[in-house]
Amino acid sequence: KAGVTQTPRYLIKTRGQQVTLSCSPISGHRSVSWYQQTPGQGLQFLFEYFSETQRNKGNFPGRFSGRQFSNSRSEMNVSTLELGDSALYLCASSDQGDNSPLHFGNGTRLTVT
Amino acid sequence: QQQVKQSPQSLIVQKGGISIINCAYENTAFDYFPWYQQFPGKGPALLIAIRPDVSEKKEGRFTISFNKSAKQFSLHIMDSQPGDSATYFCAAKNGGADGLTFGKGTHLIIQP
Repeated sequence: KAGVTQTPRYLIKTRGQQVTLSCSPISGHRSVSWYQQTPGQGLQFLFEYFSETQRNKGNFPGRFSGRQFSNSRSEMNVSTLELGDSALYLCASSDQGDNSPLHFGNGTRLTVT
Repeated sequence: QQQVKQSPQSLIVQKGGISIINCAYENTAFDYFPWYQQFPGKGPALLIAIRPDVSEKKEGRFTISFNKSAKQFSLHIMDSQPGDSATYFCAAKNGGADGLTFGKGTHLIIQP
């Protein structure tokens, strides 16, 4: 099976712009989660989607949003970008969510200038 | 406060030695404790995971030890190899609630 695929790999945006990141989960996986990784804060949970519904949400401002499509593919959007949003954004999928093993993609590296 | 504290921040071990990384948690509702390995430029990869009804789990050279009363768990890498050099993260989760709460990571270097 192909792993979790994230596009694009790298992205450079200007402060105030918005950005959309894409994630294709492992075939058959219905849960998709997003995490932000920074040197200072480490890995932090953004949100989880299961069968097109947001099931859990981390402690991030409303500028961070996401959605999941009927084929389980997911997108994450960040509006009004700030310098502090520069990070590696990781998508992970699992078959059921809950405590099922989480499989990560290689991430999208977002740089905000 | 959901938090997982990981130590040490960095670790250097000789080839063939035992690498030990420790984590402590506060939330007693956590019921799933995975360890992830991350290489530069890659996403974290699941190594091994344990649930609180088990005190130890071994998979190859990797062993998790779990102490429920002390709210601590640790990763032991036996016969450490240069290819094990990576950043290791412990994590914890509470069933279907929230996502994984990660430790800050341990940068492990295995010297040949």
